[in-house]
Amino acid sequence: DVKVTQSSRYLVKRTGEKVFLECVQDMDHENMFWYRQDPGLGLRLIYFSYDVKMKEKGDIPEGYSVSREKKERFSLILESASTNQTSMYLCASSFPASSTDTQYFGPGTRLTVL
Amino acid sequence: GENVEQHPSTLSVQEGDSAVIKCTYSDSASNYFPWYKQELGKRPQLIIDIRSNVGEKKDQRIAVTLNKTAKHFSLHITETQPEDSAVYFCAASINTGGFKTIFGAGTRLFVKA
Repeated sequence: DVKVTQSSRYLVKRTGEKVFLECVQDMDHENMFWYRQDPGLGLRLIYFSYDVKMKEKGDIPEGYSVSREKKERFSLILESASTNQTSMYLCASSFPASSTDTQYFGPGTRLTVL
Repeated sequence: GENVEQHPSTLSVQEGDSAVIKCTYSDSASNYFPWYKQELGKRPQLIIDIRSNVGEKKDQRIAVTLNKTAKHFSLHITETQPEDSAVYFCAASINTGGFKTIFGAGTRLFVKA
């Protein structure tokens, strides 16, 4: 059974703080993703990674960075948190196949920036 | 880049009726179309998917159809039950050595008992 965990379920930070969100998967998946989920906007891709030390920008990378030093761990970093980054953040992982890509999601981190 | 539009945003049906959710995508290179269900307070989970070389796929009460020419794909749920109430997300993926997946905005389905 695939397990994707995220470091916190709820997080409250102040504007300007540096924020780290961590995601760990235990199934040796190559692919890892970070999304933010906002009402009416669905899941928007922030960054993704196909391999260790590799990263690619998604649709909304501004204000975020990522780190993938180990295969099982993908970190999302908010260098200087702002109130418009208040959101639900979801991590996902998948094992690459030639024609399908089932993503397994973590439980989410609800981040509030005051 | 890829854009996925999903309609309706909210859908309310009576138990036992059918529900249909429609999506369109913009990038003709998209070749994989998954659907995820997210129950309240839980994480999204894959319920069905379809590849671009297939026109229709069925799994019990759930079916998905794909029209590549029109860039439309739809989710059909028959004989709806209260436990089908959730938010459903369609997505379109492009395999460029790894999959990049773009999600629709979601449809909140209410099944009234």
